[in-house]
Amino acid sequence: QVQLQESGPGLVKPSETLSLTCGVSGFPVTSGHYWAWVRQPQEKDLQWLGSMYHDGTTTYEPSLKSRVTISRDTSNNHFSLTMRSVTAADTALYYCARVFGEFLSFDSWGPGILVTVSS
Amino acid sequence: DIQMTQSPSSVSASVGDRVTITCRAGHNIRTYLNWYQQKPGKAPQLLIFGVSTLQSGVPSRFRGTRSGTEFTLTISSLQPEDFATYYCQQSYSTWTFGQGTKVEMK
Repeated sequence: QVQLQESGPGLVKPSETLSLTCGVSGFPVTSGHYWAWVRQPQEKDLQWLGSMYHDGTTTYEPSLKSRVTISRDTSNNHFSLTMRSVTAADTALYYCARVFGEFLSFDSWGPGILVTVSS
Repeated sequence: DIQMTQSPSSVSASVGDRVTITCRAGHNIRTYLNWYQQKPGKAPQLLIFGVSTLQSGVPSRFRGTRSGTEFTLTISSLQPEDFATYYCQQSYSTWTFGQGTKVEMK
């Protein structure tokens, strides 16, 4: 059974770079369809940030494309999110998820990590 | 971007009630529509994919349907564990979530 776990700093200063890692167990990140990052400001909407296909190609939410990069480490079976030039508006719960199946649904999620942007 | 308009934003209901949540897509997304349930402090969980297929373990009181670009999630008889927030999601062109519907106790 696939399991995902986000890790990274819970506090980032404005204008700096947010870096999160999603550790995956039970399924190789080089398989499946996509691996995704989603965020949720407190009690607000879910926002898809970007995804990495199992071959390493990436796609991003257009409004964030200039600030976001998703990468992977196949030897450690994890994938990562980097978001540059953060502001308070980037404060949110960040989730990683596996995208699977014909209808590209997010069938497995990590528990989430709260990232606060503050000086 | 494909916009997803979900309604209502909240609904008050009692155990045993029938609850209906609607999601309208701003584009023809065919059957690339998924539903998620999120409880406080937890990650969303996949409920239904491809409009109407229940994820493993999801009770049959949940039902998803489609009429053109309008999609509906129906809970036939609300149970105590169903009080949660529900999100639709299109996966036809990248991914977009609806704004969520909070099902609250009346």
